[in-house]
Order: sequence, then C-alpha cells, then structure tokens
Amino acid sequence: QIQLVQSGPELKKPGESLKISCKASGYTFTDYAMQWVKQAPGKGLQYMGWINTQTGKPTYADDFKERFVFSLETSASTAYLQINNLKNEDTATYFCARAPGGYWGQGVMVTVSS
Amino acid sequence: DVVLTQTPVSLSVTLGDQASISCRSSQSLEYSDGYTYLEWYLQKPGQSPQLLIYEVSNRFSGVPDRFIGSGSGTDFTLKISRVEPEDLGVYYCFQATHDPLTFGSGTKLEIK
Repeated sequence: QIQLVQSGPELKKPGESLKISCKASGYTFTDYAMQWVKQAPGKGLQYMGWINTQTGKPTYADDFKERFVFSLETSASTAYLQINNLKNEDTATYFCARAPGGYWGQGVMVTVSS
Repeated sequence: DVVLTQTPVSLSVTLGDQASISCRSSQSLEYSDGYTYLEWYLQKPGQSPQLLIYEVSNRFSGVPDRFIGSGSGTDFTLKISRVEPEDLGVYYCFQATHDPLTFGSGTKLEIK
C-alpha cells in the first residue's frame, strides 16, 4: 500500500539547521510531485511548496523562499525538507504529501527553543 | 494569492444530522484545462489531514458517500449527511488551481 513515512521529532536551538525526510513506498516515486505543508501549534495548514520528483525542481510559496530547501534522493524514494537558521516561529509540525493523490506522511514535530 | 474563506468557523451538530461547510474563493478556481482543482480535507485530532474530495465533487478512495462536494467558480460546499462520531475534526478546503496553492482557514466540526 502507498505510504509516506517521515523522520522523527526534532528539538533544535535558534540558528541551527535540520533536515526532515519523507520516504515513499507503494508507488513509483517519480510519477508524483511531493508537497510540504506546515502546521504551527493550534493553527491551520500552510502550503510551503512542492518539488518535481522527475526534475528535482522545487517551487516555494512566498513565506518559504528563504531558509527552506526541498531536495530528493530518488534512488531511495525519499524527499527532504531542510530548514536553515531556525527561528522560534519554525516550531510546527511539517507534513509531506504526494501531489496529487491524497497521501500524507504522519508529520514531524519540530520544536525550536533556546 | 487566492484567499479561501470558510464558513462557519465552527459547527456543532447532532449525530445523524446534516452538516454544511462553505468555501468561497477570491478568484475563480476553474483552470484553463476546464478542471476545477478544489479539494476538501478532514484533519482528525492528532492525525494528518485526509483527503475527502478532489476536483470539487469526486470522493477519494474509501470516503463514504455521506460526504458530498459541490460548487463551481468561486463558491463551494461540503455537505456531510448523517454525521457520525468519526466525522469530528477540522475541515479544510484547498485550491490547487492558482500558484501559490492555498488552504482555507478551517471549520471545526463538533458533535453535540
């Protein structure tokens, strides 16, 4: 069956970096784009952007054009979200989701605190 | 950017009754290919969002026929007939027609 399995929770300090993984299985990885969605504590869903899994070209929503990097390891059917120079406001759960198709990862809770 | 306005913000429904959620877009969501990329998601407490409806009215695999999406252009509705306990959570509309893609602000469904 189709699954997106994300890496585990992260606790980081401001200014540090992190890299979240999203491993896909049950389908051909390069047949579908991968999206990323942010959900701050108690808040709604915020679209971050997507990456073309055939070309590796990322597209970022305006709020995520700096400090955020989408990447791929196609041979491992894995997408990555890297966040550089972490800020307190990056504290959130980050989801990967296949696009289109309605399949989501379980989310990664990221806490940024000094 | 396209703004999706969901109403109501919250909804309290008796089990077995119908619930209706509105999603209004600041621009038409009909794409140049003739399709309208409006989706509905349900996020149950502590879970990832799950796709209910895509392209306005198509139910995703395994979604009960109690969930009915309708609308066109800028006005869309999700109706849930015969509300069941497992329907509680936050419902989001989402548009994939215009870049950047955007979510509505959510409607919280509670059971009376």
